[in-house]
Amino acid sequence: AQTVTQSQPEMSVQEAETVTLSCTYDTSESDYYLFWYKQPPSRQMILVIRQEAYKQQNATENRFSVNFQKAAKSFSLKISDSQLGDAAMYFCASAPGISGGGADGLTFGKGTHLIIQP
Amino acid sequence: DAGITQSPRYKITETGRQVTLMCHQTWSHSYMFWYRQDLGHGLRLIYYSAAADITDKGEVPDGYVVSRSKTENFPLTLESATRSQTSVYFCASSDELAGVRSYEQYFGPGTRLTVT
Repeated sequence: AQTVTQSQPEMSVQEAETVTLSCTYDTSESDYYLFWYKQPPSRQMILVIRQEAYKQQNATENRFSVNFQKAAKSFSLKISDSQLGDAAMYFCASAPGISGGGADGLTFGKGTHLIIQP
Repeated sequence: DAGITQSPRYKITETGRQVTLMCHQTWSHSYMFWYRQDLGHGLRLIYYSAAADITDKGEVPDGYVVSRSKTENFPLTLESATRSQTSVYFCASSDELAGVRSYEQYFGPGTRLTVT
């Protein structure tokens, strides 16, 4: 079984500044995947970034990047040059890879509410 | 490109009634999932399906029934709705290409269900 913990219920950042959202996870799998999803007020779940556990290089997508610390089981999301449109709930999630059966769904953290101050 | 759709988007029902939430995807993805989202819990997996006629329980399956007779549809039925099933329900799908699983999931817009 996997668990995902997001210890920051809410974060606030000034527009154009950088913010980091924290996530820790626990898994017994050697093969797994990690994700950050964004949920704006529209309620739609939007994939922000993904990381394969076997890759040492941190994933990046434009202004979004992760700091993946495998030994510490940490997977934080950094948002650079924050924009008003970044305001949303952010969910960290994990999925087991083939070694864990592969068919299970995502395990989500409880989310971090990100507020962007203009 | 419709992607993944859910219907209805909003539903109010009474305790004890049966209600079915529909999910339809146009991508022919192999895997489909149902989650519920409650305040303080994030999203929790109810049921998932690896292919037509193959379904399995997730973390919170009690009180729910699923079926998948066609690849593109994955309905979720609450056989006798209870107030504790008031929630937002999300359907999701993920793909498999040439036998290689893609673990990222694409979500529908959600259904807000209220049980009175």
